[in-house]
Amino acid sequence: NAGVTQTPKFQVLKTGQSMTLQCAQDMNHNSMYWYRQDPGMGLRLIYYSASEGTTDKGEVPNGYNVSRLNKREFSLRLESAAPSQTSVYFCATARGASYEQYFGPGTRLTVT
Amino acid sequence: TQLLEQSPQFLSIQEGENLTVYCNSSSVFSSLQWYRQEPGEGPVLLVTVVTGGEVKKLKRLTFQFGDARKDSSLHITAAQPGDTGLYLCAGAEVSNTGNQFYFGTGTSLTVIP
Repeated sequence: NAGVTQTPKFQVLKTGQSMTLQCAQDMNHNSMYWYRQDPGMGLRLIYYSASEGTTDKGEVPNGYNVSRLNKREFSLRLESAAPSQTSVYFCATARGASYEQYFGPGTRLTVT
Repeated sequence: TQLLEQSPQFLSIQEGENLTVYCNSSSVFSSLQWYRQEPGEGPVLLVTVVTGGEVKKLKRLTFQFGDARKDSSLHITAAQPGDTGLYLCAGAEVSNTGNQFYFGTGTSLTVIP
């Protein structure tokens, strides 16, 4: 029972490169979220998926796309990475609205 | 737009002291959660408060939700080095499509032995 897993754990990209961050959960939760965490800014929501087949924008969606592949998996794609996207990215899941969120270990991304 | 402001941003205290962390907003939330995060890990939920005026206790930690559901506080009694970490509040805004959580800016607590 792994909970929430994220891959990769670390990544260095050059400006303009693309990549996909993967998130998978084995908790049978409906809702999944992608956040970024920057010093002094707390966690900011990028995109979320309330249930399989639906996705919605959060606070800071520009420069990102997401795919809810099935109930277990929610991926985040950077089409053309920029230095401003250097951050720690967290995936989280929840049973539903207002329920507690369970976070993955994070992906540390550096864009040079 | 940062909906939730936490204070103080940094706090360094001696073991055995008491402390309070505040989480304030001009928005009303359906519920509010407190998380604790250790370096290199994701946040872990401490408590969820739902009702205005609600008080919850978790051992030495006391959480309060404001009457208007716009603010919250976390009080730690007799802090221990194991309490060291980043404390985050998060407000839940429920919409037709699901829910969004807005996180506060965080309070970094260091308890010195």
